[in-house]
Amino acid sequence: GAGVSQSPSNKVTEKGKDVELRCDPISGHTALYWYRQSLGQGLEFLIYFQGNSAPDKSGLPSDRFSAERTGGSVSTLTIQRTQQEDSAVYLCASSSLVLSYNEQFFGPGTRLTVL
Amino acid sequence: DAKTTQPPSMDCAEGRAANLPCNHSTISGNEYVYWYRQIHSQGPQYIIHGLKNNETNEMASLIITEDRKSSTLILPHATLRDTAVYYCIVRKASTAGNKLTFGGGTRVLVKP
Repeated sequence: GAGVSQSPSNKVTEKGKDVELRCDPISGHTALYWYRQSLGQGLEFLIYFQGNSAPDKSGLPSDRFSAERTGGSVSTLTIQRTQQEDSAVYLCASSSLVLSYNEQFFGPGTRLTVL
Repeated sequence: DAKTTQPPSMDCAEGRAANLPCNHSTISGNEYVYWYRQIHSQGPQYIIHGLKNNETNEMASLIITEDRKSSTLILPHATLRDTAVYYCIVRKASTAGNKLTFGGGTRVLVKP
């Protein structure tokens, strides 16, 4: 079956521009997560959705970052007024909450480069 | 969630077993041990998880010590495709969902 998909796979933008990154989770997965991985850094959590609500936004680094999820499915991560330090791979994951260990399935990521 | 400690890197010979250690001395009773791996340029991939008992699946085995303060992930017959960064993560299981907190992981290089 289809896994988690993300688009675009690569995005190059100029400093100060806004970008939108898209995540299509596995069908039926209630939980959706955004992470990012900067060069030389580990994976860091950004935000978690349960359905359309976000009970944990603790990882968003600044108010330039926002995310939404509609219809309990697709999610969009928006970065406003991009900065060079926003350059990273942005990863999306989804999981079913039926089982308590809720294995997370990751997408291939979007590589964002801010010039 | 409890903190984990892993060696930064290790090499393994193709066809041999790879034993990846992880220390989690502050683990609490309701926390599980999870292992994920990240192959270059891909998203992380779930491998296995366990609470107290040893676990085995088609990818690996997980050995957890009786006091649960450490564990070992075993790749029984390492292949070149097992070259990746392996992350040991400790967190509570919850039907409410729970973020993964990744540390530095162990960079495993499988050599021919």
